[in-house]
Amino acid sequence: AQKITQTQPGMFVQEKEAVTLDCTYDTSDPSYGLFWYKQPSSGEMIFLIYQGSYDQQNATEGRYSLNFQKARKSANLVISASQLGDSAMYFCAMRELMYSGGGADGLTFGKGTHLIIQP
Amino acid sequence: SQTIHQWPATLVQPVGSPLSLECTVEGTSNPNLYWYRQAAGRGLQLLFYSVGIGQISSEVPQNLSASRPQDRQFILSSKKLLLSDSGFYLCAWIAGTYEQYFGPGTRLTVT
Repeated sequence: AQKITQTQPGMFVQEKEAVTLDCTYDTSDPSYGLFWYKQPSSGEMIFLIYQGSYDQQNATEGRYSLNFQKARKSANLVISASQLGDSAMYFCAMRELMYSGGGADGLTFGKGTHLIIQP
Repeated sequence: SQTIHQWPATLVQPVGSPLSLECTVEGTSNPNLYWYRQAAGRGLQLLFYSVGIGQISSEVPQNLSASRPQDRQFILSSKKLLLSDSGFYLCAWIAGTYEQYFGPGTRLTVT
C-alpha cells in the first residue's frame, strides 16, 4: 500500500485564490514527521513546511499552512493568496521515526501535484 | 550555513557506460546523507542512505552503488548504465527531525 497519497495530479487556480493540496498518509509508527516540498521547473526541492505527529497545533510558515487531521491521516497544504510564482510541483513526504531506526532511512514521497496559477 | 553541492548538473551518457555522481556538503559534520532518483513526472524514490563513512544502506535493488569515502562526500556510481537509469538524481542531507536539505540535482539522460 502507498504510504503517501496525493490524489490531485494537476490543479489550475486563479491568482490570489487560496489553494488546498491534498495528502493522506499511512503508517503504524506513532512518531513521524510530515513535510511539503515545492519543486519548480528548475528541479530544486524547496522545503516549505513541517508537521510532527505529536504537534498539537497546525504548522504555519508565511502563506503556507498545514491542515493536520491525525485521525484521518490527512496533511493537506493550504496556500493563501496564491501568486504566479507558486506554479510548481508540490510533494508531500513522510519520515517515520520510531520503527525505522530513528528516521535514518529518509523520506517517503507522494507522486506530487502540479499546481498552475493562472492570472 | 549548510550547503550541498552536486556535480555534474547535467549528463548524457550512452547505455553501458560507467557513471559517477558526486555530492558534498558544507557546514556540518557527520550528516546522514541520501540519494534519491526522480523519474520524469514522478515523485522521489530513495536509493541509498548513509549514516557515516563507509556505511551504506540500499533501499532498492538496481545496478547502482553508492560510497561514502569521506564524512561529507557521497558518491553514486554504476559500472554499466541502463536506459532506465535516466532521471533526476538528488542528494539530500538530513539533520535533526525536520532540517531537510536537498542539493541542486543532476539530470542524467542515458541514450
